This record gives sequence, C-alpha cells and structure tokens, in this order.
Amino acid sequence: AQSVTQLDSHVSVSEGTPVLLRCNYSSSYSPSLFWYVQHPNKGLQLLLKYTSAATLVKGINGFEAEFKKSETSFHLTKPSAHMSDAAEYFCVVSEYGRDDKIIFGKGTRLHILP
Amino acid sequence: DAGVIQSPRHEVTEMGQEVTLRCKPISGHDYLFWYRQTMMRGLELLIYFNNNVPIDDSGMPEDRFSAKMPNASFSTLKIQPSEPRDSAVYFCASSPSTGNGYTFGSGTRLTVV
Repeated sequence: AQSVTQLDSHVSVSEGTPVLLRCNYSSSYSPSLFWYVQHPNKGLQLLLKYTSAATLVKGINGFEAEFKKSETSFHLTKPSAHMSDAAEYFCVVSEYGRDDKIIFGKGTRLHILP
Repeated sequence: DAGVIQSPRHEVTEMGQEVTLRCKPISGHDYLFWYRQTMMRGLELLIYFNNNVPIDDSGMPEDRFSAKMPNASFSTLKIQPSEPRDSAVYFCASSPSTGNGYTFGSGTRLTVV
C-alpha cells in the first residue's frame, strides 16, 4: 500500500531565506513522486516529478527535490523564498507508471514573511 | 493545447437544484479524474475514467452524485439534488497514462445555498 505524509501543515519563512517542505512516503513498488503547487483560488500545477531517473529533480520557479530511498523522503527545497511562492504544496506518490494509483498528501501551506 | 478546461468557473445554486459540472480533458489523455477540495477534507478523489470507462467510483459520496464520459473529449459530474454540504471546489484532471502526473483544470467553485 502506498501513503504519503507531509510533516508540516504550515511553514513560514522570511523572503530571501531557504524553503524546506518535508514529505515522507511509503510504497510497495518503485514509486513516482511529484510536488504540486496550488496558489489561492487556482488549480494545481505540477512543480516537479521523480520517475526513477536522477534522484535530484529540478522543477519550475527554482524549486528542487531529492529522492532519498533510504529515508523514504522527497523533501522540496528552494534556496531563496519569494513572496510569489506563498501557496499550498502537495506531495504525491504513485506506483511507477500508474496514473490510477496516485495518493495526495494533505498539503503544506507556505507563508512568506516580508 | 489549451489544457484541461472546466466550466463553469463558479456556480451558485439553491439547495435541491440539479448541478452539472463539465470538463474537457487534454486531447490524447487516457485518464480523467474528478476531485473535490474542501477545507475540512482536503482533496478527495471522486471517480476516474480510463478510455471513457468509469474504473473506480468508490469516492463518490452518495447516489446524488453521478459522472459520465460519453466520449474522449468530454465528461460531466452531476449532483441531483444538491445540498449545502456539497459546496466545494471541484477539479477535473487528465493524464496520458505514462506515470508523468496529472494536468488539472482551474476548478469549479460550487456554492449551494
């Protein structure tokens, strides 16, 4: 069975400081992992994805995530936060190659302090 | 490609009325998903289709909800009769069945008064 846990429901950082959003997963199969971002009153946008290639994945808007199998983690990072990064972020796990076996985390709301 | 298109963007209706939400997936995508998002429950998968066939509707809350996909380019989610607790944002998403993630529509914000 698959599951995904986002360890923080809210994260606050100051503009210009690093961002770390934590995600742990469990999967019986080789997983695909994704991060989605949802800005207020908008749909969900794919930020980045891991699908068994390079373990360090670069996404849009300067975000990246590292797949660590030994820690079953897929944390999202950004070196320097921008006000426009304020949004909700969802970590997602699926069985590799299976779009019908996808599990969303409960989301982490990122607040950017001026 | 224009992406996944949902209509209407906003819907306000009175309790007891029928509501129909519409979705046009990305051309060539084999999977179509309907999700509901609320503050209390987060994102919930309601139903998904593969090649126009409903595969899993276990997330549909009750018989008042129904979904159809008459062809590869169109799907509807219908609520009849609607209730205030159905108020939520309903998202449609599609994917090409390659395991590369979904593309979401912009959602329909439903308010039942």
